[in-house]
Amino acid sequence: NAGVTQTPKFRVLKTGQSMTLLCAQDMNHEYMYWYRQDPGMGLRLIHYSVGEGTTAKGEVPDGYNVSRLKKQNFLLGLESAAPSQTSVYFCASSPWGNQPQHFGDGTRLSIL
Amino acid sequence: GDSVTQMEGPVTLSEEAFLTINCTYTATGYPSLFWYVQYPGEGLQLLLKATKADDKGSNKGFEATYRKETTSFHLEKGSVQVSDSAVYFCALKTNAGKSTFGDGTTLTVKP
Repeated sequence: NAGVTQTPKFRVLKTGQSMTLLCAQDMNHEYMYWYRQDPGMGLRLIHYSVGEGTTAKGEVPDGYNVSRLKKQNFLLGLESAAPSQTSVYFCASSPWGNQPQHFGDGTRLSIL
Repeated sequence: GDSVTQMEGPVTLSEEAFLTINCTYTATGYPSLFWYVQYPGEGLQLLLKATKADDKGSNKGFEATYRKETTSFHLEKGSVQVSDSAVYFCALKTNAGKSTFGDGTTLTVKP
Protein backbone atom coordinates (compact mmCIF):
# COMPACT_ATOMS: atom_id res chain seq x y z
CA ASN A 1 0.00 0.00 0.00
CA ALA A 2 2.05 2.95 -1.30
CA GLY A 3 -0.19 5.85 -0.19
CA VAL A 4 1.39 9.12 -1.33
CA THR A 5 4.65 8.86 -3.28
CA GLN A 6 6.87 11.83 -4.08
CA THR A 7 9.55 11.85 -6.77
CA PRO A 8 12.43 12.70 -6.49
CA LYS A 9 13.42 12.57 -2.81
CA PHE A 10 16.43 14.87 -3.20
CA ARG A 11 17.52 17.33 -5.86
CA VAL A 12 20.08 20.08 -6.25
CA LEU A 13 19.47 22.76 -8.89
CA LYS A 14 21.27 25.82 -10.11
CA THR A 15 19.53 29.19 -10.13
CA GLY A 16 17.42 29.58 -13.26
CA GLN A 17 16.97 25.87 -13.93
CA SER A 18 13.52 24.32 -14.16
CA MET A 19 12.17 21.12 -12.74
CA THR A 20 8.97 19.24 -11.95
CA LEU A 21 8.13 17.43 -8.73
CA LEU A 22 5.75 14.52 -9.06
CA CYS A 23 3.19 13.40 -6.50
CA ALA A 24 1.21 10.20 -6.97
CA GLN A 25 -1.51 8.76 -4.72
CA ASP A 26 -3.23 5.39 -4.96
CA MET A 27 -6.13 6.03 -2.57
CA ASN A 28 -8.53 7.54 -5.11
CA HIS A 29 -8.53 10.80 -3.17
CA GLU A 30 -10.24 13.86 -4.63
CA TYR A 31 -8.07 16.53 -3.03
CA MET A 32 -4.33 16.99 -3.42
CA TYR A 33 -1.95 19.61 -1.99
CA TRP A 34 1.58 20.95 -2.26
CA TYR A 35 3.27 22.51 0.78
CA ARG A 36 6.71 23.82 1.55
CA GLN A 37 8.27 23.49 4.97
CA ASP A 38 10.92 25.94 6.11
CA PRO A 39 12.55 26.10 9.56
CA GLY A 40 10.33 27.89 12.07
CA MET A 41 7.56 28.50 9.55
CA GLY A 42 5.54 25.31 9.64
CA LEU A 43 3.82 24.18 6.46
CA ARG A 44 2.74 26.75 3.93
CA LEU A 45 0.26 25.84 1.22
CA ILE A 46 1.53 26.49 -2.31
CA HIS A 47 -1.31 25.18 -4.51
CA TYR A 48 -4.05 22.65 -4.13
CA SER A 49 -6.61 20.79 -6.22
CA VAL A 50 -10.13 19.69 -5.37
CA GLY A 51 -10.46 17.41 -8.37
CA GLU A 52 -9.03 16.30 -11.69
CA GLY A 53 -8.45 19.26 -13.97
CA THR A 54 -8.81 21.86 -11.20
CA THR A 55 -6.19 23.84 -9.30
CA ALA A 56 -6.22 26.74 -6.86
CA LYS A 57 -3.65 29.04 -5.28
CA GLY A 58 -2.62 28.67 -1.70
CA GLU A 59 -0.71 30.98 0.60
CA VAL A 60 2.61 31.14 -1.32
CA PRO A 61 1.93 30.37 -5.04
CA ASP A 62 4.40 32.78 -6.69
CA GLY A 63 7.15 31.07 -8.69
CA TYR A 64 5.29 27.74 -8.89
CA ASN A 65 2.83 26.16 -11.28
CA VAL A 66 0.80 22.98 -10.91
CA SER A 67 -1.22 20.59 -13.01
CA ARG A 68 -3.71 17.82 -12.19
CA LEU A 69 -4.34 16.10 -15.52
CA LYS A 70 -5.01 12.74 -13.86
CA LYS A 71 -6.79 12.22 -10.56
CA GLN A 72 -3.91 10.29 -9.06
CA ASN A 73 -1.13 12.73 -9.99
CA PHE A 74 -0.35 16.30 -8.94
CA LEU A 75 2.69 17.98 -10.50
CA LEU A 76 4.54 20.98 -9.05
CA GLY A 77 6.72 22.96 -11.45
CA LEU A 78 9.45 25.50 -10.91
CA GLU A 79 10.03 27.36 -14.17
CA SER A 80 13.09 29.35 -13.08
CA ALA A 81 14.42 28.19 -9.72
CA ALA A 82 15.60 30.75 -7.16
CA PRO A 83 17.61 30.22 -3.94
CA SER A 84 14.52 31.33 -1.95
CA GLN A 85 12.81 28.15 -3.15
CA THR A 86 15.27 25.95 -1.26
CA SER A 87 12.97 24.00 1.02
CA VAL A 88 11.40 20.66 1.82
CA TYR A 89 8.30 20.09 -0.29
CA PHE A 90 5.45 17.88 0.89
CA CYS A 91 2.56 16.55 -1.10
CA ALA A 92 -0.66 15.43 0.57
CA SER A 93 -4.00 14.01 -0.48
CA SER A 94 -7.37 13.58 1.17
CA PRO A 95 -10.91 12.47 0.45
CA TRP A 96 -13.38 15.27 -0.25
CA GLY A 97 -14.59 17.53 2.53
CA ASN A 98 -13.04 17.85 5.94
CA GLN A 99 -11.23 14.52 6.12
CA PRO A 100 -7.57 14.34 7.24
CA GLN A 101 -4.68 14.49 4.81
CA HIS A 102 -2.16 11.77 3.99
CA PHE A 103 1.38 13.00 3.43
CA GLY A 104 4.30 11.86 1.34
CA ASP A 105 7.82 11.67 2.76
CA GLY A 106 8.93 14.92 1.20
CA THR A 107 11.34 16.19 -1.47
CA ARG A 108 14.44 18.04 -0.27
CA LEU A 109 15.28 20.69 -2.86
CA SER A 110 18.39 22.86 -2.77
CA ILE A 111 18.93 25.70 -5.22
CA LEU A 112 22.41 27.10 -5.51
CA GLY B 1 -8.36 34.36 6.16
CA ASP B 2 -8.09 31.22 8.26
CA SER B 3 -5.22 30.92 10.73
CA VAL B 4 -3.84 28.55 13.37
CA THR B 5 -1.66 29.67 16.27
CA GLN B 6 0.36 27.19 18.30
CA MET B 7 2.30 27.79 21.49
CA GLU B 8 5.89 28.52 20.69
CA GLY B 9 8.47 25.89 21.38
CA PRO B 10 10.62 24.09 21.80
CA VAL B 11 9.18 22.18 24.74
CA THR B 12 11.43 19.97 26.85
CA LEU B 13 9.96 17.59 29.42
CA SER B 14 11.10 14.71 31.57
CA GLU B 15 9.67 11.26 30.96
CA GLU B 16 6.23 10.76 32.60
CA ALA B 17 5.57 14.52 32.77
CA PHE B 18 2.22 16.03 31.71
CA LEU B 19 2.10 17.62 28.28
CA THR B 20 -0.01 20.50 27.02
CA ILE B 21 0.50 22.17 23.64
CA ASN B 22 -1.88 25.07 23.08
CA CYS B 23 -3.60 25.68 19.76
CA THR B 24 -6.12 28.36 18.83
CA TYR B 25 -7.68 29.07 15.47
CA THR B 26 -9.67 31.58 13.47
CA ALA B 27 -11.88 30.40 10.64
CA THR B 28 -15.17 31.09 8.94
CA GLY B 29 -17.74 28.36 9.18
CA TYR B 30 -17.15 25.11 11.00
CA PRO B 31 -13.78 23.58 10.19
CA SER B 32 -12.48 20.21 11.27
CA LEU B 33 -9.43 20.29 13.54
CA PHE B 34 -6.42 18.01 13.54
CA TRP B 35 -3.15 17.27 15.28
CA TYR B 36 -0.38 15.82 13.15
CA VAL B 37 3.01 14.50 14.29
CA GLN B 38 6.26 14.59 12.34
CA TYR B 39 9.27 12.43 13.21
CA PRO B 40 12.73 13.39 11.90
CA GLY B 41 13.11 12.89 8.16
CA GLU B 42 9.49 11.86 7.66
CA GLY B 43 6.23 13.34 6.46
CA LEU B 44 3.37 14.29 8.76
CA GLN B 45 1.10 11.61 10.24
CA LEU B 46 -2.37 12.14 11.60
CA LEU B 47 -2.42 11.91 15.39
CA LEU B 48 -6.05 12.76 16.12
CA LYS B 49 -9.00 14.72 14.81
CA ALA B 50 -12.29 16.33 15.78
CA THR B 51 -14.96 17.34 13.29
CA LYS B 52 -17.44 19.36 15.38
CA ALA B 53 -17.74 21.37 18.56
CA ASP B 54 -17.23 19.44 21.83
CA ASP B 55 -15.80 16.40 20.00
CA LYS B 56 -12.79 14.84 21.72
CA GLY B 57 -10.14 13.27 19.54
CA SER B 58 -7.82 10.70 21.12
CA ASN B 59 -5.01 8.39 20.07
CA LYS B 60 -1.96 6.80 21.74
CA GLY B 61 -2.73 8.56 25.04
CA PHE B 62 -3.03 12.00 23.41
CA GLU B 63 -6.29 13.93 23.64
CA ALA B 64 -7.72 17.21 22.34
CA THR B 65 -11.21 18.72 22.61
CA TYR B 66 -12.79 21.00 19.99
CA ARG B 67 -13.81 24.11 21.94
CA LYS B 68 -15.84 26.44 19.73
CA GLU B 69 -16.42 29.02 22.45
CA THR B 70 -12.69 29.56 22.95
CA THR B 71 -11.69 28.55 19.37
CA SER B 72 -9.13 26.16 20.82
CA PHE B 73 -7.90 22.60 20.32
CA HIS B 74 -5.20 22.04 22.92
CA LEU B 75 -3.21 18.78 22.82
CA GLU B 76 -2.66 16.92 26.10
CA LYS B 77 -1.01 13.73 27.30
CA GLY B 78 -0.85 12.59 30.89
CA SER B 79 2.55 10.88 30.82
CA VAL B 80 4.98 11.45 27.95
CA GLN B 81 7.62 8.98 26.83
CA VAL B 82 10.96 9.48 25.09
CA SER B 83 9.38 8.06 21.94
CA ASP B 84 6.92 11.01 21.87
CA SER B 85 9.78 13.35 20.91
CA ALA B 86 8.71 14.89 17.59
CA VAL B 87 7.24 18.01 16.02
CA TYR B 88 3.49 18.49 16.55
CA PHE B 89 1.29 20.49 14.18
CA CYS B 90 -2.21 21.79 14.78
CA ALA B 91 -4.30 22.23 11.63
CA LEU B 92 -7.78 23.07 10.43
CA LYS B 93 -9.57 22.07 7.25
CA THR B 94 -12.72 23.53 5.78
CA ASN B 95 -15.40 21.66 3.89
CA ALA B 96 -14.12 23.34 0.72
CA GLY B 97 -10.88 21.42 1.19
CA LYS B 98 -8.50 24.23 2.09
CA SER B 99 -6.15 23.44 4.96
CA THR B 100 -4.14 25.70 7.29
CA PHE B 101 -1.33 24.59 9.62
CA GLY B 102 0.28 26.09 12.68
CA ASP B 103 4.04 26.61 12.82
CA GLY B 104 4.66 23.38 14.74
CA THR B 105 5.93 22.73 18.27
CA THR B 106 9.05 20.67 18.84
CA LEU B 107 8.78 18.33 21.82
CA THR B 108 11.83 16.72 23.38
CA VAL B 109 11.33 14.18 26.16
CA LYS B 110 14.37 13.33 28.29
CA PRO B 111 14.76 10.05 30.20
